[in-house]
Amino acid sequence: DTGVSQDPRHKITKRGQNVTFRCDPISEHNRLYWYRQTLGQGPEFLTYFQNEAQLEKSRLLSDRFSAERPKGSFSTLEIQRTEQGDSAMYLCASSQGGSIYGYTFGSGTRLTVV
Amino acid sequence: RKEVEQDPGPFNVPEGATVAFNCTYSNSASQSFFWYRQDCRKEPKLLMSVYSSGNEDGRFTAQLNRASQYISLLIRDSKLSDSATYLCVVSNNAGNNRKLIWGLGTSLAVNP
Repeated sequence: DTGVSQDPRHKITKRGQNVTFRCDPISEHNRLYWYRQTLGQGPEFLTYFQNEAQLEKSRLLSDRFSAERPKGSFSTLEIQRTEQGDSAMYLCASSQGGSIYGYTFGSGTRLTVV
Repeated sequence: RKEVEQDPGPFNVPEGATVAFNCTYSNSASQSFFWYRQDCRKEPKLLMSVYSSGNEDGRFTAQLNRASQYISLLIRDSKLSDSATYLCVVSNNAGNNRKLIWGLGTSLAVNP
């Protein structure tokens, strides 16, 4: 499978716990994006990487959120001390450069904080 | 005003109908335009890019009007499988980041 893969697909956690999600982009894509989507909303930009460099972070990404892409391949998104408001679908996308052809999304990780 | 605005719908149409969605954007410097399709609880998938001259892909036609800052998507001979949310997406170059700005989506239900 050469698409974008995300793991896990679903995560239920108790408030206050830390969670980590993983994204494996399409191998030849050098850009990787994290988005968050809640019901009835479009995806909201969180952060993006070009290779291993994190080039932009949204104001939505509070201090509890951190993302890494250590070798320029897969990326992780960690949420510390989760809150109920963190419940959402976390989407990863990749592109080759600033692709004019759009991005390819993974299936997402659905987080539920109880 | 939101950067990208769409009528949320829902649009309920019978099979075989033609349906059109419009989307307006606020940033006149926007450079790339897309329509994505999203099924319930699934990730968005690129439906088509929108080019200045307009473009067609089978039953789908996309058009861009830069002067009025809107893009449209026309679906002809709609099928039950077209039922989904259609997201209008605009790309603004902010430095090196071709950031995608998303509309909230227009919900389409095609009925038998």
